[in-house]
Amino acid sequence: EDQVTQSPEALRLQEGESSSLNCSYTVSGLRGLFWYRQDPGKGPEFLFTLYSAGEEKEKERLKATLTKKESFLHITAPKPEDSATYLCAVQESTSPPKLSFGAGTTVTVRA
Amino acid sequence: DAGITQSPRHKVTETGTPVTLRCHQTENHRYMYWYRQDPGHGLRLIHYSYGVKDTDKGEVSDGYSVSRSKTEDFLLTLESATSSQTSVYFCAISAGTGNTEAFFGQGTRLTVV
Repeated sequence: EDQVTQSPEALRLQEGESSSLNCSYTVSGLRGLFWYRQDPGKGPEFLFTLYSAGEEKEKERLKATLTKKESFLHITAPKPEDSATYLCAVQESTSPPKLSFGAGTTVTVRA
Repeated sequence: DAGITQSPRHKVTETGTPVTLRCHQTENHRYMYWYRQDPGHGLRLIHYSYGVKDTDKGEVSDGYSVSRSKTEDFLLTLESATSSQTSVYFCAISAGTGNTEAFFGQGTRLTVV
């Protein structure tokens, strides 16, 4: 049973066209929800940690939000350099601090 | 970049041969992890360590073993490589307390022919 499901699988945007990525999760108790960015041929790069429903974090054109069942990564006025795969992961409160990842959303921003 | 070094970065090996991948950290973090990444599956946990000589299995541990004799080094061994183990392998580290985010290395691309 998948703990983390990301949608859509791929997203093509025009530069400046804002959009959102979804991450839905099913865990018995959430210690934290994490967003990462991954560029081709590179390791995942940490973006945000969200710990409780209602929490929001921002970094440049990215904003992450969290509810009890899902998280959204909003990309505002994206630029081509925002093109990457965005990964969502959860950590359960009852287990050692290990991450369970979704399959990712690949975002392509055209100039 | 977090102080994580994976070696080798690329390797081609033959079916049935043993292979060892190395992860070295300079952050003195307690937790270390090995993940594999395959198209359509995302990142899947192979093994992790919560201290020197303390390790446990992840969700895809069959065919893999690990060792951690020093805080800074975590080794992943494929005892007898198979084509299904062709993948990109990532090491990650985490302090495990307070901010529990994990930081990843650059990956090792392993091809088993």
